[in-house]
Amino acid sequence: LAKTTQPISMDSYEGQEVNITCSHNNIATNDYITWYQQFPSQGPRFIIQGYKTKVTNEVASLFIPADRKSSTLSLPRVSLSDTAVYYCLVGGYGSGNTGKLIFGQGTTLQVKP
Amino acid sequence: EAGVTQFPSHSVIEKGQTVTLRCDPISGHDNLYWYRRVMGKEIKFLLHFVKESKQDESGMPNNRFLAERTGGTYSTLKVQPAELEDSGVYFCASSQVDSFYEQYFGPGTRLTVT
Repeated sequence: LAKTTQPISMDSYEGQEVNITCSHNNIATNDYITWYQQFPSQGPRFIIQGYKTKVTNEVASLFIPADRKSSTLSLPRVSLSDTAVYYCLVGGYGSGNTGKLIFGQGTTLQVKP
Repeated sequence: EAGVTQFPSHSVIEKGQTVTLRCDPISGHDNLYWYRRVMGKEIKFLLHFVKESKQDESGMPNNRFLAERTGGTYSTLKVQPAELEDSGVYFCASSQVDSFYEQYFGPGTRLTVT
């Protein structure tokens, strides 16, 4: 799986939009970008996945530029409950890929009142 | 729909003892994964089942760890004998066959070896 790089930590305030950028310079053609969220004392939770351009769901938006070497997870109007660790992962659905997730350090987002 | 469940939530054992962790995946999910996080480190993959078959065991640390998934339903992960460095949180996750990067994780089992 392609290696990813993301900031170790970020701070925000309630009501703000938060953008977390992830770099994946060696992303392969068949790779998708997946983001997980993890609250303390819980397992990671799937947030969103995309291949190119923009994906939006009820939780977040994922922006992927044309070269796909980076991606940005956007959380609109964060609240205190969005304080968590956010992981960016990259992997493909092609032959030999089985869903083995490789977690990095993630980005610890602290939302302040 | 019930999520992934793990039992026990916390286990404290002495070095040299045996512990068995259990994971019940979401019904209908053929993929089942085990991960663990040891203190201060990143979450690491241990192994992957497709139904009852081991698809990938590349993350299993050594032969003290034995995972099974009889009948393709629940899975167990046995550590025998446990060592101090086995302490950590063990996560189980499951997914559907065709969307295996969308994994549903359980709450984890916190294992403490003293």
